[in-house]
Amino acid sequence: DARVTQTPRHKVTEMGQEVTMRCQPILGHNTVFWYRQTMMQGLELLAYFRNRAPLDDSGMPKDRFSAEMPDATLATLKIQPSEPRDSAVYFCASGLVLGGRSSGANVLTFGAGSRLTVL
Amino acid sequence: RKEVEQDPGPFNVPEGATVAFNCTYSNSASQSFFWYRQDCRKEPKLLMSVYSSGNEDGRFTAQLNRASQYISLLIRDSKLSDSATYLCVVNDPGGGADGLTFGKGTHLIIQP
Repeated sequence: DARVTQTPRHKVTEMGQEVTMRCQPILGHNTVFWYRQTMMQGLELLAYFRNRAPLDDSGMPKDRFSAEMPDATLATLKIQPSEPRDSAVYFCASGLVLGGRSSGANVLTFGAGSRLTVL
Repeated sequence: RKEVEQDPGPFNVPEGATVAFNCTYSNSASQSFFWYRQDCRKEPKLLMSVYSSGNEDGRFTAQLNRASQYISLLIRDSKLSDSATYLCVVNDPGGGADGLTFGKGTHLIIQP
């Protein structure tokens, strides 16, 4: 089965440190999403890309978060500096969108997530 | 503001029973609807799409009520392995994130 691969699976770091999470989407998928999940907030969209171009990052704190897709096989989410409130599970998901933005990605395949703890 | 609302539960249900829960959405223009399942400490996975005519997959039945703006998921003859969180997803055309909005999920516990 094709899968979305995320690294690291777990990360414990101290406040102020830089954290980089990586995602390899499913080959052939043209849309990549970054979500954050906490018990209180559920799944929150941070950013997403279509054909490597950022389409929406309004859910992301711009002062400390950045998301990029240096190539079609790699998406990154960086937090610098990290804070305790960033502790959460970060999911990457990919999907195939045909027909333009208004069609929607519909079905997403999620990676296993990166569990981040900031002390 | 577009919203997708779910009863967080938990729903505690004896094995073998039938359980159903709903998800309401606020945008009447929403076009696509899905149920995802998320096991504890795992990623969400697509369970089934929800079509206008309703659809069934084994013990699972999903239905859409456009007039009242909700979708439902019914599980018959529940199994211990059905214990999970069920996420409702609504797709609004032209919205951000390709219009995908996730509910916070309904936690289901099947008890032996």
